[in-house]
Amino acid sequence: DIQMTQSPSSLSASVGDRVTITCRASQSISSYLNWYQQKPGKAPNLLIYAASSLQSGVPSRFSGSGSGTDFTLTISNLQPEDFAAYYCQQSFIIPRTFGQGTKVQIK
Amino acid sequence: EVQLVESGGGLVQPGGSLRLSCAASGFTFSSYWMHWVRQAPGKGLVWVSRINSDGSTTSFADSVKGRFTISRDNAKNTLYLQMNSLRGEDTAVYYCARDRCSGGSCYFEYWGQGTLVTVSS
Repeated sequence: DIQMTQSPSSLSASVGDRVTITCRASQSISSYLNWYQQKPGKAPNLLIYAASSLQSGVPSRFSGSGSGTDFTLTISNLQPEDFAAYYCQQSFIIPRTFGQGTKVQIK
Repeated sequence: EVQLVESGGGLVQPGGSLRLSCAASGFTFSSYWMHWVRQAPGKGLVWVSRINSDGSTTSFADSVKGRFTISRDNAKNTLYLQMNSLRGEDTAVYYCARDRCSGGSCYFEYWGQGTLVTVSS
C-alpha cells in the first residue's frame, strides 16, 4: 500500500494568514493526488483533484501543487470558514489511501 | 442535485452483522463506480471498498477482506455494504462516495452524510 504522510498534524493560524500543508507519498503517484476538507460532524468535501485542479465551487484561495511524491495545499488569506481538517488522498492505486489529516485551528 | 443517503448503521455486538445502504439520486447511478470510506471516532479517513459500475468488480481494504461484501442494485439506485464478523475496530462513521475520473485522475466528488456503526457488547 502507498503511505501518505501529512505535515503538520495540526497548526494554529489567524484569519488572513497564508497556510501550507504538505503531503508526501511513499512512492511516486504522478499527479494522482486529491485534497479534501472536513468540518466537524460533516462529510469530507473535495477541494483539489489531480494535484492542482480546483473543484468547481471551491474558492480560489485554495491551491494545490506538486507531483511525484511531494505535494502542497495552500490556503491564502485564511477565512473563518476554513478552520477544519484537511486530508490528502492518492488515487494512483487501490487502496486509495488518505493522509492522517491536518487540523487547522484558530490562533 | 446529487444526493447520497446512507442508512443501516447502529449498535451491534462483536461477531455480529450489519448491512449498510446508500441510496443515490440526482445522477445516473449505473454509470459510476462507488466507494465506502470509514472514519473511527476522532480519527482520520480510511478507504474500505469499491465496486465498478455494473457490480462485476470489487476491491477491499485488507482490514475488512473476507468479512465485508460490497454490492449494488442499479435498478434501485442503491449501494450496499454487508459487514460480517464485526469487531470493535470496525466502529466508525461509514460514508459512501461517488467516484469520478477525469483525464485519468479519479476522486470522490460526492459523499453521503455518513452512518454510524458501533460494535460493542
